Amino acid sequence: GAVVSQHPSWVICKSGTSVKIECRSLDFQATTMFWYRQFPKQSLMLMATSNEGSKATYEQGVEKDKFLINHASLTLSTLTVTSAHPEDSSFYICSASKLAGGAETQYFGPGTRLLVL
Amino acid sequence: LAKTTQPISMDSYEGQEVNITCSHNNIATNDYITWYQQFPSQGPRFIIQGYKTKVTNEVASLFIPADRKSSTLSLPRVSLSDTAVYYCLVGGYNTDKLIFGTGTRLQVFP
Repeated sequence: GAVVSQHPSWVICKSGTSVKIECRSLDFQATTMFWYRQFPKQSLMLMATSNEGSKATYEQGVEKDKFLINHASLTLSTLTVTSAHPEDSSFYICSASKLAGGAETQYFGPGTRLLVL
Repeated sequence: LAKTTQPISMDSYEGQEVNITCSHNNIATNDYITWYQQFPSQGPRFIIQGYKTKVTNEVASLFIPADRKSSTLSLPRVSLSDTAVYYCLVGGYNTDKLIFGTGTRLQVFP
């Protein structure tokens, strides 16, 4: 199997607070995890690549000080949205890479819906 | 990273076979082709992955011509529950990140 979980599934917070989202690979170890953001009726946008034990690599235009990523183990990566504002409201999805048969395949979590009031 | 192009939307009826074609003209030698399905407010679900020729699993088939510049996802006998967005992505072994295109929004009618 290749199951990826996210917690929480949804969160509502006040503007200015920080929110942490966890991404776990439940039945495999993932050296690399990815974080995406998706706005309504749009495609997934890659935010950053997270490698276990090292700093995340952020895509252009994504503020690393606002979206803190920690990949402390081979099965857990966290995304912290710091000082959240209404424009950060979105659907956040993580994925974890699994190597099988020579190919890297990403398996996605169920997503976390963030609403900032 | 190879860019992909898919039709924005497709319509079908229950019981029909649906073929969604994806173009990836600048696919690299070590790139694999992977298809995902996404329902609203859910993360993408892995459907099938291939490198060349034909791959089949319990839910779909993937056809890849010799030049690998395109691929076709085939869904046999679709049902209403297959209404979703389908994404085609290319990436290789140790090619870490995937860039999502617009995807194909499939609508299945009764």
